Amino acid sequence: AQSVTQLGSHVSVSEGALVLLRCNYSSSVPPYLFWYVQYPNQGLQLLLKYTSAATLVKGINGFEAEFKKSETSFHLTKPSAHMSDAAEYFCAVSSYNFNKFYFGSGTKLNVKP
Amino acid sequence: DGGITQSPKYLFRKEGQNVTLSCEQNLNHDAMYWYRQDPGQGLRLIYYSQIVNDFQKGDIAEGYSVSREKKESFPLTVTSAQKNPTAFYLCASSVQPLDYGYTFGSGTRLTVV
Repeated sequence: AQSVTQLGSHVSVSEGALVLLRCNYSSSVPPYLFWYVQYPNQGLQLLLKYTSAATLVKGINGFEAEFKKSETSFHLTKPSAHMSDAAEYFCAVSSYNFNKFYFGSGTKLNVKP
Repeated sequence: DGGITQSPKYLFRKEGQNVTLSCEQNLNHDAMYWYRQDPGQGLRLIYYSQIVNDFQKGDIAEGYSVSREKKESFPLTVTSAQKNPTAFYLCASSVQPLDYGYTFGSGTRLTVV
């Protein structure tokens, strides 16, 4: 089965600073890779996705991520954090037969004023 | 508007009781999924279904049961055999393959009292 590792269960940045949330996956076959965001007591919302097109993908709210096959990584970045970015972020990787997702353990982003 | 609806939002269960969580979608998606979310553990797959009248166990199916009699509906029953049912439960749906990712419901928080 696939596995997803998100380094750092909590990340804290100042407003206006760079956001970097890390995601590594285990796969010998390039999977689909997604980032989702979750606000308290809500479902998950899609931020961005990689499905074998451009390796640098842009999502909503100024977020972007780069697929690096050699590093099996799909890190999420945003140049300038905003208070409204405070939430929990999940990286997800598709199964080998592309019929379900495996999720990382999540990273809670705190944005300090 | 198309979407996926979970009900109830909050559910309290006495030990030894079975409870059923509802999940309905009007997106015409073939596939539906149930995940369990616990703090620090991300989302873990309970059951999924790719077509009506068929479903597969996920990674943590013990103590749970599902049915898929209609394309729109995928209820989850948490049985008394589930030793630690207190958690946040998320339902999702998708087209196949997963090019567009999941659409999530807003979740049901189950508490055993």
